[in-house]
Amino acid sequence: EAGVVQSPRYKIIEKKQPVAFWCNPISGHNTLYWYRQNLGQGPELLIRYENEEAVDDSQLPKDRFSAERLKGVDSTLKIQPAELGDSAVYLCASSLERTGSLYEQYFGPGTRLTVT
Amino acid sequence: SQELEQSPQSLIVQEGKNLTINCTSSKTLYGLYWYKQKYGEGLIFLMMLQKGGEEKSHEKITAKLDEKKQQSSLHITASQPSHAGIYLCGAHAGNYGQNFVFGPGTRLSVLP
Repeated sequence: EAGVVQSPRYKIIEKKQPVAFWCNPISGHNTLYWYRQNLGQGPELLIRYENEEAVDDSQLPKDRFSAERLKGVDSTLKIQPAELGDSAVYLCASSLERTGSLYEQYFGPGTRLTVT
Repeated sequence: SQELEQSPQSLIVQEGKNLTINCTSSKTLYGLYWYKQKYGEGLIFLMMLQKGGEEKSHEKITAKLDEKKQQSSLHITASQPSHAGIYLCGAHAGNYGQNFVFGPGTRLSVLP
């Protein structure tokens, strides 16, 4: 079974430029997460989707970040314009969740973003 | 909002030694997860604990959940170089899977 796929693995851009990250979750997983991980810290949740609905986006900086999961499968996270402080690893995870039950998340390898 | 603290921040042990990593929550725990991360890679799921007093083991790694103390511990027996990495605990702030948070991680080095 294929795991969570993310692309690109690495991205270097100049500040004020746009950037987009793509994630394809494990087949059949209805819940998809985007996290940001700064160096030396644990991942911070940006947004969680249940199917195509964003159910938890309280940590997403909505002035410059946007995300979509149009068909409830793969997802795109965009930053426009990027700032120096956005340099981090962006992780995507998926899980098969049901209300009232808890399931483990499976993570992709992440996209390492460097903003210069 | 819920916060998770981990101790120690980093740990260096000699191969063969036992070690324990702790995770403490500022609020009630609704499920506690342990993950491992190697540099430049994603997180690998280790174990999930849901009930107070629950204990799970996988190979040489044992995790326990103390619901009253809002705390979990991860114990590695007879450590090996392959155990090296960053161990992260994670938890939901609510009992319907919302507001997932991670601790800052514990960096483990195992000297051969």
